[in-house]
Amino acid sequence: GAVVSQHPSRVICKSGTSVKIECRSLDFQATTMFWYRQFPKQSLMLMATSNEGSKATYEQGVEKDKFLINHASLTLSTLTVTSAHPEDSSFYICSATGDGNQPQHFGDGTRLSIL
Amino acid sequence: SQKIEQNSEALNIQEGKTATLTCNYTNYSPAYLQWYRQDPGRGPVFLLLIRENEKEKRKERLKVTFDTTLKQSLFHITASQPADSATYLCALDNAGNNRKLIWGLGTSLAVNP
Repeated sequence: GAVVSQHPSRVICKSGTSVKIECRSLDFQATTMFWYRQFPKQSLMLMATSNEGSKATYEQGVEKDKFLINHASLTLSTLTVTSAHPEDSSFYICSATGDGNQPQHFGDGTRLSIL
Repeated sequence: SQKIEQNSEALNIQEGKTATLTCNYTNYSPAYLQWYRQDPGRGPVFLLLIRENEKEKRKERLKVTFDTTLKQSLFHITASQPADSATYLCALDNAGNNRKLIWGLGTSLAVNP
């Protein structure tokens, strides 16, 4: 149980393109979803916390107009990197959790490369 | 300042031995602490959660201890196998702060056959 599917797994695109990443909880209702960014040999860096039906809460230094998050249902959240530039290249990972003090269940990440 | 630290050096052990990984924290009062495994290019996988009122938790070959006085958690893998080679992350809750976790950098474990 507790499977999270993240799609696509890899994106390579030109500078200026907007990229949408989907995160789905397949067998449970995710009241909260998290979006992380991870650089090589670095820890997970939380970008934003998303609760179903409400606006995402962004961490300090993360531009909300650059990284658009939509959590329209209890099983789906999307992250859109708008007008992506080479410095946005990174490994983006989502996680989902249910009610209470439940662990986070992660997708397999999206490797984004902006040329 | 608030910090969470894991063994900074990679850990190399022989197959069959017990691996012990350390997670120390300062200036937090977590209600629980979690351990995850991460393989290269993949998302982390949840392993164990231990609450502040629990001293020890076990799951198959895994054992976690939590000492809130020392502000430390130890993660043990007994009878280690090459397939246990991965990066292990500890994470603790920032109590009352929207359920988000504070993450350590992880410890890389290599189990040699």
